Amino acid sequence: EVQLGQSGVEVKKPGESLKISCKGSGYTFTSYWIGWVRQMPGKGLEWMGIIYPGDSDTRYSPSFQGQVTFSADKSISTAYLQWSSLKASDTAMYYCARQAGGSHYFDNWGQGTLVTVSS
Amino acid sequence: SSELTQDPAVSVALGQTVRITCQGDSLRSFSASWYQQKPGQAPVLVIYDRNNRPSGIPDRFSGSSSGNTASLTITGAQAEDEADYFCNSRDSSGYRLFAGGTKLTVL
Repeated sequence: EVQLGQSGVEVKKPGESLKISCKGSGYTFTSYWIGWVRQMPGKGLEWMGIIYPGDSDTRYSPSFQGQVTFSADKSISTAYLQWSSLKASDTAMYYCARQAGGSHYFDNWGQGTLVTVSS
Repeated sequence: SSELTQDPAVSVALGQTVRITCQGDSLRSFSASWYQQKPGQAPVLVIYDRNNRPSGIPDRFSGSSSGNTASLTITGAQAEDEADYFCNSRDSSGYRLFAGGTKLTVL
């Protein structure tokens, strides 16, 4: 069974750094793109971008380019989303999801990581 | 334009048929997929590549597309179908797009 397990709730202050994780299991982690999706409170889904764990190739949405960094450690089947300096507007639920091979849709999703940024 | 738009809210009587639509120029070239999201839960894929259902998704869910509009149809809506529904596609640059979502109420 394909599973994506995400790290837990985070409460941070503005200006702090953060790295959240997404661990894949039940499939060949290096063969599928992993995407990150933001959902701000009460709002819709926003595509942040994708990373290919096989070679760490990344594609960022123009809206998120320069604001976040994707990385992956294929030795432990884990993808990461990180911020160097959080803002209050980064408060949201963040989902990782597996992109189905050769397509643009996500066939399996993590449970989400809630990030709250508040002074 | 590389945007996708959906009606914010739709309602349907229990057991009736409802169609949720998604519009955007990119849909003329690229297929739509649909996700269901219930409160406090992660999204779940219900339709991919226009009209394919993942295993475990009831056959009352179907998809179609015409021109710049993709549709998700629920034939015989059930109480458990009450949720937010998001369509998803891509644009010519390869970026993925989500529409704003439709809140479905089953009366």
